[in-house]
Amino acid sequence: AAGVIQSPRHLIKEKRETATLKCYPIPRHDTVYWYQQGPGQDPQFLISFYEKMQSDKGSIPDRFSAQQFSDYHSELNMSSLELGDSALYFCASSQSGLAGPTDTQYFGPGTRLTVL
Amino acid sequence: AQSVTQLGSHVSVSEGALVLLRCNYSSSVPPYLFWYVQYPNQGLQLLLKYTTGATLVKGINGFEAEFKKSETSFHLTKPSAHMSDAAEYFCAVSYGGSQGNLIFGKGTKLSVKP
Repeated sequence: AAGVIQSPRHLIKEKRETATLKCYPIPRHDTVYWYQQGPGQDPQFLISFYEKMQSDKGSIPDRFSAQQFSDYHSELNMSSLELGDSALYFCASSQSGLAGPTDTQYFGPGTRLTVL
Repeated sequence: AQSVTQLGSHVSVSEGALVLLRCNYSSSVPPYLFWYVQYPNQGLQLLLKYTTGATLVKGINGFEAEFKKSETSFHLTKPSAHMSDAAEYFCAVSYGGSQGNLIFGKGTKLSVKP
């Protein structure tokens, strides 16, 4: 079965640089979530999109922005990178039910960002 | 604010022994409940979930969990541990709809001794 695709899998950047992470949801999934997992930490919710509109916002820094495109893929843009942004970034997708986003999220393999 | 508590950041069992990983949530409204497993340097894989209906849910790899509303718990069990079960396990909750984001516990690292 098709899974969530994330690219790149690994990314190394310098402080103050920018980075763009991409997420391709499972076919027919219309909801995308982004999470950040620091070393030894639990995943923290950043932001989500449903039908190309932002649906919820978590602990996402103002330096980060994201969007969902017409083909439902999503991109997380990160600017003015800091050392503390080094983490594993997960994208998850789900399929909406009649009442809106359903409950099961399927995770991609993650993008490991290292900021030097 | 809703939260998830996983008792024990590390649990060690012998191969063939019972696995019990504890999870409690704090919310007056029962959430949707999930267990995910994460192997080193990999993504999160859904083990099982509870949304409505039968409170005992079975998942992949022989795991199961029981939702107990009175105890606000959703503990994960497996009758007989296998070496391949060694991983980190995360309990998570969500409330669906526009608040569908997952709130994770701190995780429990399971070690399995031969």
